[in-house]
Amino acid sequence: GAVVSQHPSRVICKSGTSVKIECRSLDFQATTMFWYRQFPKQSLMLMATSNEGSKATYEQGVEKDKFLINHASLTLSTLTVTSAHPEDSSFYICSARVRQKNTEAFFGQGTRLTVV
Amino acid sequence: SQQGEEDPQALSIQEGENATMNCSYKTSINNLQWYRQNSGRGLVHLILIRSNEREKHSGRLRVTLDTSKKSSSLLITASRAADTASYFCASHSGNTPLVFGKGTRLSVIA
Repeated sequence: GAVVSQHPSRVICKSGTSVKIECRSLDFQATTMFWYRQFPKQSLMLMATSNEGSKATYEQGVEKDKFLINHASLTLSTLTVTSAHPEDSSFYICSARVRQKNTEAFFGQGTRLTVV
Repeated sequence: SQQGEEDPQALSIQEGENATMNCSYKTSINNLQWYRQNSGRGLVHLILIRSNEREKHSGRLRVTLDTSKKSSSLLITASRAADTASYFCASHSGNTPLVFGKGTRLSVIA
């Protein structure tokens, strides 16, 4: 199957700093990528849909100024958590679908963010 | 809002037994997918069943889909300790993003 690479896998940052997470589709083009957040022992909650070359679409309750999403190319989307707070500590996972194929989505390995 | 609801939320079985997990969803779908997640790790795609399919097999996995009841089940036969993980169903319609259920935490005891 297609490969989605997410980096870093784990990051610890100080409160008030910003953290950037990258999501790359390695062997396919992804017009659309999705960002999810997962708290311990809970399911994945969709945060936003990232569209190449246009603004991301955020789910209700997700602050777009806090979670900046950039999808500058067909193989890269980034999520920047700005002015991170301890409550932002979570597991962030990106997902991508093969361009023009409405089938399974492929997921990155996830990023464990801990804000201290 | 989450579309899928899995039950049970947690399941503990002995190695060699079968494990059945159920999932319900609310709206019409193009397909339904099952994923596995080991603790603190990313998601692994297990199987996809399309809305016009009723049953699908992959190795020790068997998935059913009942669109009239808006439900699906995942059966893992002859379970192994390595099957211990969380299992999620996820669905989408059209080009919408995947919406995940709450998941079932499966523990297989050796």
